Amino acid sequence: SQQGEEDPQALSIQEGENATMNCSYKTSINNLQWYRQNSGRGLVHLILIRSNEREKHSGRLRVTLDTSKKSSSLLITASRAADTASYFCATVYLSSGSARQLTFGSGTQLTVLP
Amino acid sequence: DGGITQSPKYLFRKEGQNVTLSCEQNLNHDAMYWYRQDPGQGLRLIYYSQIVNDFQKGDIAEGYSVSREKKESFPLTVTSAQKNPTAFYLCASSPTPSGGYNEQFFGPGTRLTVL
Repeated sequence: SQQGEEDPQALSIQEGENATMNCSYKTSINNLQWYRQNSGRGLVHLILIRSNEREKHSGRLRVTLDTSKKSSSLLITASRAADTASYFCATVYLSSGSARQLTFGSGTQLTVLP
Repeated sequence: DGGITQSPKYLFRKEGQNVTLSCEQNLNHDAMYWYRQDPGQGLRLIYYSQIVNDFQKGDIAEGYSVSREKKESFPLTVTSAQKNPTAFYLCASSPTPSGGYNEQFFGPGTRLTVL
């Protein structure tokens, strides 16, 4: 399987702290995306970073991409209880052909304690 | 979840029965996808469709079937051949046929339980 790996599997922090999640993948990618999933709900797209980009920001989110290490990180600054959710990285491998399929990691469960 | 609806939210099935999960989108998106999610796991691709009247198998298509007769609809049938169908099923869509170049929009999901 080309499925990526996320680290840590679970993360618990206090409100106001920063949360960092990491994602590693196997082969060359076109882009990498981060999604959020609240318990029992659908996924919501957070940010997309292309293989020629190194860093992107969106509000309190900061994503980095290191293609030499085949890894990405998602930083959530000044976390809130409402950030409690599962976070998934998803990659589009260059080998996925015209369909440009997304391959999802197993996710990081983030709990922000009030 | 905006623009994509899935029904029902919960579905119970007896072993040996086929069941169809509905997915409808009003976003005018070309591509649509079905994923399966097991507890504590990421999503695995079952089937996808880049245009009307065309669809392709994903990584775990065995025991499932789909159709794409209309742009806005992409129903998934879980057949009795699927050995372990209890899971959370998610439908998604994307603006262009090359869906991975853009974000995907997800429905709220259907939780299927086989009794």
